[in-house]
Amino acid sequence: GDSVTQMEGPVTLSEEAFLTINCTYTATGYPSLFWYVQYPGEGLQLLLKATKADDKGSNKGFEATYRKETTSFHLEKGSVQVSDSAVYFCALSYGSSNTGKLIFGQGTTLQVKP
Amino acid sequence: NAGVMQNPRHLVRRRGQEARLRCSPMKGHSHVYWYRQLPEEGLKFMVYLQKENIIDESGMPKERFSAEFPKEGPSILRIQQVVRGDSAAYFCASSPADSSGNTIYFGEGSWLTVV
Repeated sequence: GDSVTQMEGPVTLSEEAFLTINCTYTATGYPSLFWYVQYPGEGLQLLLKATKADDKGSNKGFEATYRKETTSFHLEKGSVQVSDSAVYFCALSYGSSNTGKLIFGQGTTLQVKP
Repeated sequence: NAGVMQNPRHLVRRRGQEARLRCSPMKGHSHVYWYRQLPEEGLKFMVYLQKENIIDESGMPKERFSAEFPKEGPSILRIQQVVRGDSAAYFCASSPADSSGNTIYFGEGSWLTVV
């Protein structure tokens, strides 16, 4: 069945370092892909999304490109800040086209040190 | 425009008691989803509801769990006779009827602890 795999965490970086969090997926059809962020004790916030191959989602300096050929949706940011410390979840939509059924990866914890 | 509202934020129940979690979707949203997040894991889909209808409950445990979304009032996730393994964060999400790109918006979650 459909699935999402993220790189293991925690990822620890110094402020202003470059960030990559890998995400690969397995899916039938053409799912939409998402990155959500969860700050401690809070719910999930949509960070960015892409709905078709080669689309690039971007928000707050984060980017991810929907790569159908490699079934990947890696999250990148050129210069991280301490405030980016959180858990990041990659997800894909599945089921019929207009539902919010998502499959999530296990999450990757990012720790940014000053 | 208020976001998805969940309450209570934290709930402690003894084994065998009932837990009721409430979710008010964003204004204008008629679709509600419940997800469960076990410790150190990602979120798992439980159920998808529209007003007065359960559309997909493929992720709901077969026993003790139920969900509703009445014509008036919030959606309710009900867990009867809770056990320690039910301890988790329960997230509600909502979307409008025409959810372009499958975007859903999450509430801040209800953390259930069973002692």
